[in-house]
Amino acid sequence: GAVVSQHPSWVICKSGTSVKIECRSLDFQATTMFWYRQFPKQSLMLMATSNEGSKATYEQGVEKDKFLINHASLTLSTLTVTSAHPEDSSFYICSAREPGGANTGELFFGEGSRLTVL
Amino acid sequence: GNSVTQMEGPVTLSEEAFLTINCTYTATGYPSLFWYVQYPGEGLQLLLKATKADDKGSNKGFEATYRKETTSFHLEKGSVQVSDSAVYFCALRRGGGATNKLIFGTGTLLAVQP
Repeated sequence: GAVVSQHPSWVICKSGTSVKIECRSLDFQATTMFWYRQFPKQSLMLMATSNEGSKATYEQGVEKDKFLINHASLTLSTLTVTSAHPEDSSFYICSAREPGGANTGELFFGEGSRLTVL
Repeated sequence: GNSVTQMEGPVTLSEEAFLTINCTYTATGYPSLFWYVQYPGEGLQLLLKATKADDKGSNKGFEATYRKETTSFHLEKGSVQVSDSAVYFCALRRGGGATNKLIFGTGTLLAVQP
């Protein structure tokens, strides 16, 4: 199956700094990527949908100035957590959909990136 | 609103035991239903899916039947193996189109002991 890779897999940063997480589709072109956030013992919550070459669509309650998403190419989307605070500590997961996959329901997921803000 | 409820884990079984992980959903209309699996250190992978009532999804010995009357999509396997140890997520997708949003349950950790 298709492969999606995230980097870094874990990161620790100081409060107030910014952190960038990359999501790459390794063997296919992804016109659409999704970013999720998962708290311990909770479900994955969709944060935003990013489409290549256009602005991301954020879910209600997600601060777009806090979580900057860029999808500049068909194989790379980035999530930047700006001015991170301890409450931003979480597990961030990206997924990507192949072109033409809109109605199949199958997404390909990255391994996740665990962010810890001190 | 749309939601998915899964049984809390962890579920600990001996090898060759029968597995059931319960999943119920709340949604308007006719959602598609999915089970995803996440093995240690890996991303979520689609395990099986069903797109309409009474459909049965199956893969790798796992099965789940879309039950509209009980709004359920329970995951079953007749004989689990140690290699099945993972986190299992039930999910629904309502409607089609470009957004393709998935709504996930909280995940259930399965630990199979030899």
